[in-house]
Amino acid sequence: KQEVTQIPAALSVPEGENLVLNCSFTDSAIYNLQWFRQDPGKGLTSLLLIQSSQREQTSGRLNASLDKSSGRSTLYIAASQPGDSATYLCAVRRGGTASKLTFGTGTRLQVTL
Amino acid sequence: DVKVTQSSRYLVKRTGEKVFLECVQDMDHENMFWYRQDPGLGLRLIYFSYDVKMKEKGDIPEGYSVSREKKERFSLILESASTNQTSMYLCASSMGQGGSGNTIYFGEGSWLTVV
Repeated sequence: KQEVTQIPAALSVPEGENLVLNCSFTDSAIYNLQWFRQDPGKGLTSLLLIQSSQREQTSGRLNASLDKSSGRSTLYIAASQPGDSATYLCAVRRGGTASKLTFGTGTRLQVTL
Repeated sequence: DVKVTQSSRYLVKRTGEKVFLECVQDMDHENMFWYRQDPGLGLRLIYFSYDVKMKEKGDIPEGYSVSREKKERFSLILESASTNQTSMYLCASSMGQGGSGNTIYFGEGSWLTVV
């Protein structure tokens, strides 16, 4: 059974810092991995999706990497801002298109002034 | 932009009531999903559907049923609500085979309280 772990559970950094969020998964036979952002009381917003054949994806200040063989993904946030404060979740999908995602429990990020 | 709309943001229902949560997506997606999210437990899949009238159980289907009569609409039904079904419910959708890497899009969530 796939298990997804995100460490740390919570993180507080001053504005302007570069930071890395970690996601690990136990079964490397994944179809893709997706990173999401969730603001309090809201739904999830998709940030980046990495296919199993890819090593990384970039969008603005965000960069996500994938090392399938070691069961790890990182989300790098450059020059953090208070508006980046949210919970970040990763999710892995096993083979097939309609198959379910397995989510981590998230990292709650607070960026302080 | 993809839009997944959940009809009710906040609901309060009594134990034993039948509850309908509605979800509509506007991007002609084949796949639709219902999750619940609880503190410490993360998101757990209740049911998903990969086509009209098709459904598959997720990890926690007990106490729930679903309906997909039209491609754009996926309904979650609590036949007899219980207090342990108090939660945030999230609907999501994605394209089918080969589409856009299957990015999954979520609605804003429905907060259900059962008293």
